[in-house]
Amino acid sequence: DAKTTQPPSMDCAEGRAANLPCNHSTISGNEYVYWYRQIHSQGPQYIIHGLKNNETNEMASLIITEDRKSSTLILPHATLRDTAVYYCIVRSTGANSKLTFGKGITLSVRP
Amino acid sequence: DGGITQSPKYLFRKEGQNVTLSCEQNLNHDAMYWYRQDPGQGLRLIYYSQIVNDFQKGDIAEGYSVSREKKESFPLTVTSAQKNPTAFYLCASQQDHSGNTIYFGEGSWLTVV
Repeated sequence: DAKTTQPPSMDCAEGRAANLPCNHSTISGNEYVYWYRQIHSQGPQYIIHGLKNNETNEMASLIITEDRKSSTLILPHATLRDTAVYYCIVRSTGANSKLTFGKGITLSVRP
Repeated sequence: DGGITQSPKYLFRKEGQNVTLSCEQNLNHDAMYWYRQDPGQGLRLIYYSQIVNDFQKGDIAEGYSVSREKKESFPLTVTSAQKNPTAFYLCASQQDHSGNTIYFGEGSWLTVV
């Protein structure tokens, strides 16, 4: 499974959009991009995932570049409760594929 | 409600003792996973299972053992051979089809005293 690279941290002002980048330059054609977030001492929470098209749900939008080597998670109106560690993960769909987590990016939303 | 249940939430163990962490899911998922998380670190894969009666080692399997006798259950045993077992343990599951969501339990804190 391809690995991902994320900056260690970023912050944004409450009410503004938070754009979280992720590089996955070795992603292969059958690998999906997933985003999760984790608040301290809780299990990771699913946010969104995609293959090659941009995706949007009630929580966020996922923008995947045309070459699929990078993506951006967008939280359109960040709140203080969005402060968490955000993980970008790629996973294949083949047999015995596994999830590989990096250290994620710590998002701090300031008042 | 459907989901993944981990128990216990908090567990204390004396050095030299084995301990088993429970993970149960009622989502009818084929694949299940165990992760370890140390403070300020990402998740590291211990073991995973794609189907009943089959499992594979992850990146840090030494000192751990698992079983998958039933589809809904994937218990993790932390053995005395695990030299630094104090950590946060997370169980996850996914239906074994392309693009399906991966669900996590709420985690179990293990402390060796």
